[in-house]
Amino acid sequence: VQLQESGPGLVKPSGTLSLTCTVSDSSMYSYYWSWIRQTPGRGLEWIAYIYDTGSTKFNPSLESRVTISLDTSKNQFSLKLNSVTAADTAVYYCARGVGDGYIHWVDPWGQGSLVTVSS
Amino acid sequence: DIQMTQSPSSLSASVGDRVTITCRASQSISTYLNWYQQKPGKAPKLLIFAASSLVSGVPSRFSGGGFGTDFTLTISGLQAEDFATYYCQQSDISLTFGPGTKVDLK
Repeated sequence: VQLQESGPGLVKPSGTLSLTCTVSDSSMYSYYWSWIRQTPGRGLEWIAYIYDTGSTKFNPSLESRVTISLDTSKNQFSLKLNSVTAADTAVYYCARGVGDGYIHWVDPWGQGSLVTVSS
Repeated sequence: DIQMTQSPSSLSASVGDRVTITCRASQSISTYLNWYQQKPGKAPKLLIFAASSLVSGVPSRFSGGGFGTDFTLTISGLQAEDFATYYCQQSDISLTFGPGTKVDLK
């Protein structure tokens, strides 16, 4: 299974960050598809996930600004984060999640995509 | 929100050492706890899920334990390839990660 993030590396403040993750060698069914970001200051921060049914779950601190979508025909899922500020500068990872009840782990991950918010 | 803490934040060790990292949750999370390893410039890699289940292909020198609020990751016989940063992650309420423990060479 391989995941690859793609999207602009530079986004202007107040703009929208958009990333797509392309999944290879894996069905998108029966898995959760997550976005996670990492900064030196805040560490690893889970953003959201989407299940194959289209059901979603969000980090409460980001929920108002996040859209996550899934396109099983293209084996892709996407993230949109609006009203970005410099605090949203991070390495963004896409990842596959597995869950059963309350237990939920994330593996594998994409290689990560650095997104910088700057004018 | 469930807050995760890890101790120590960093440690120095030698090849062959036994290393134990502790992860603590701000409230009980049963065994809804996973451990990851991250090397510089790379994505995290899952080592252990559900507190104590070793991922297929991960060396048996890695082990995890704990229940409720207190968890441990132990590396028995540290190898050169184990120098990395380790993160715990809970999934009881939302998903949150610990701040990480960096293991480097003494």
